Amino acid sequence: NAGVMQNPRHLVRRRGQEARLRCSPMKGHSHVYWYRQLPEEGLKFMVYLQKENIIDESGMPKERFSAEFPKEGPSILRIQQVVRGDSAAYFCASSSDYEQYFGPGTRLTVT
Amino acid sequence: KNQVEQSPQSLIILEGKNCTLQCNYTVSPFSNLRWYKQDTGRGPVSLTIMTFSENTKSNGRYTATLDADTKQSSLHITASQLSDSASYICVVSPSGGSYIPTFGRGTSLIVHP
Repeated sequence: NAGVMQNPRHLVRRRGQEARLRCSPMKGHSHVYWYRQLPEEGLKFMVYLQKENIIDESGMPKERFSAEFPKEGPSILRIQQVVRGDSAAYFCASSSDYEQYFGPGTRLTVT
Repeated sequence: KNQVEQSPQSLIILEGKNCTLQCNYTVSPFSNLRWYKQDTGRGPVSLTIMTFSENTKSNGRYTATLDADTKQSSLHITASQLSDSASYICVVSPSGGSYIPTFGRGTSLIVHP
C-alpha cells in the first residue's frame, strides 16, 4: 500500500506565476489535509477536504489560494500570483479516521 | 486560543544516552495527542497516539506519557541512536466537532557519536 504521494517534491516559481501542488492520498483514504511549514515554524493547518467537498478552509489565505479534491485524481493546492512569502514546505496528509499520514512535502521556492 | 508549547527547542546528546522531550498544551476539549518524528526534508511520521484515557504508550525505544489533568506530555527516547536525529513534533487534536490539530514547533534533536 503506497503512502501519501506528493509532487513535485521541489518547485521553483518566479513572482507572479502560478504554483500547483498535487497530493495523492493513501488508498482507501477520503480525507485530505493541507499544511504549510515555514522555516523554524510548526506546521499550520490550511484546508481540510473530502472528495468533491471543502470541509474547512479556515487556514487558507483569503486570496490567491485554492484547493480541490475531485472525484477522480489527486488533490490540488493552487497558489496564484505567487509572492516570496509563499516560499515554504507544503505537506498534505490523508486519513480514514483520526490518524493522519503525511506525504513527503513539496518545497516551493519563489524567486 | 489552542496552543502547543514544546521544550527544549533543541537538544544535543551523545549516542546511547536517554532524553526526554516536553509538550504542554491548552487545547480543549481534548481528543488525542500525537508525537511525530520529522527527518530533515521529509514529512512527519507518527510515533505514538494517546487518547484521554491513556497515560503511557510505547513504540520501541520511544515512550510517550500523558497527564490530561495538567495538560502535559513527554516523549522519552531510550538508548539514542544517530538515526534519532530529527525534529519531534507534538500535535494535539480537539474533540467536539473540530478536527483541526494544533502543532507544536518541535524539538530539534541531534545525536552525536
